[in-house]
Amino acid sequence: AQTVTQSQPEMSVQEAETVTLSCTYDTSESDYYLFWYKQPPSRQMILVIRQEAYKQQNATENRFSVNFQKAAKSFSLKISDSQLGDAAMYFCAYRSVSVGTYKYIFGTGTRLKVLA
Amino acid sequence: GAGVSQSPSNKVTEKGKDVELRCDPISGHTALYWYRQSLGQGLEFLIYFQGNSAPDKSGLPSDRFSAERTGGSVSTLTIQRTQQEDSAVYLCASSLGGGGVGTEAFFGQGTRLTVV
Repeated sequence: AQTVTQSQPEMSVQEAETVTLSCTYDTSESDYYLFWYKQPPSRQMILVIRQEAYKQQNATENRFSVNFQKAAKSFSLKISDSQLGDAAMYFCAYRSVSVGTYKYIFGTGTRLKVLA
Repeated sequence: GAGVSQSPSNKVTEKGKDVELRCDPISGHTALYWYRQSLGQGLEFLIYFQGNSAPDKSGLPSDRFSAERTGGSVSTLTIQRTQQEDSAVYLCASSLGGGGVGTEAFFGQGTRLTVV
């Protein structure tokens, strides 16, 4: 079975600085999707960025980028020029593409604090 | 609708009572998921629907939990004889479909269930 591990329960970053959130996963599959979701205090889960495993190029979305290391099964999120609005829980998630196993598997989350 | 809608937003119930939680997915989304999030924890998978059928209900914690989906749209999660350990936020998500199609999951704002 697949697992997702986020080893940093909490991180802090100064406003305008850069922070990296770590995520590792375990799978025997060769094709899958990886995601970072943000959950602010409103509880609304919002997709931050998505990576397809067969694509070697790291995904980027404005100030958010990932470092996808397939062999190491690592998927870290880098937030550049951190803003106060980035403060939230961040969840790493894995999704299989194998038939019948389309559930998303989430890590335990990292709480990001942004200091003014 | 414009997004995934869940009702009620908050529910307080007495131990031993039954509760029903409702999820209205985004129109046209064939996949629907239920997750449970306990205080400060990650997302625990409960059940996945593709259309009206549930190919994966491996996360339902006991036979007190059941879910159904009708018309390929609205889903109801029912918890019978509620216990205090059932207190959590129940999140619903929908996506376009399985495999590589529309892999982003869109989440509702959840139902906070408190069992007293």
